[in-house]
Amino acid sequence: GAVVSQHPSRVICKSGTSVKIECRSLDFQATTMFWYRQFPKKSLMLMATSNEGSKATYEQGVEKDKFLINHASLTLSTLTVTSAHPEDSSFYICSAPGQGRGETQYFGPGTRLLVL
Amino acid sequence: SQKIEQNSEALNIQEGKTATLTCNYTNYSPAYLQWYRQDPGRGPVFLLLIRENEKEKRKERLKVTFDTTLKQSLFHITASQPADSATYLCALGRGDDKIIFGKGTRLHILP
Repeated sequence: GAVVSQHPSRVICKSGTSVKIECRSLDFQATTMFWYRQFPKKSLMLMATSNEGSKATYEQGVEKDKFLINHASLTLSTLTVTSAHPEDSSFYICSAPGQGRGETQYFGPGTRLLVL
Repeated sequence: SQKIEQNSEALNIQEGKTATLTCNYTNYSPAYLQWYRQDPGRGPVFLLLIRENEKEKRKERLKVTFDTTLKQSLFHITASQPADSATYLCALGRGDDKIIFGKGTRLHILP
């Protein structure tokens, strides 16, 4: 099946710094990718839809200036958490729809962010 | 607002028995429903998709039913094994690639 990778898998940063998370589709192209965050024992919450070559679409309540998304190529989307605060600590997961109808989502392994 | 409920936060099942997980939704008309498996610290892995015009889908020991009148899906794992222990997520979609997830059910298969 299709493979999606994320880097880094874990990151610890100081409050106020910015952190970039990469999401790559390894063996297929993805014009659209999705970014989620997940708190412990909670569901995945969709943050934004990343669109190759155009602006990302953010879900209600998600600050676009805080969570910068860049979909620079058909295989790479990046999420930058700017001026991170402890409340941004979470598990961030990206996904890309499969080929065909695109109903099946292929998820990356996730990135654990801890802001001190 | 749309809501997805997975009835049990956690479920313990004896090895060899059938595990049945429930997903109910309100204020939503999905074109399809999916089930994913998520292990701790990992991203979800797709298991099965069932469309609104389908009643039942099977894949090896997995079976999914979809009742659009009751707005409910049941997910069954037959002959359960300890390796089936994980969190199972229900997700709904309408064809624009965006899907919404339930909170998941943590399934423990007891040896």
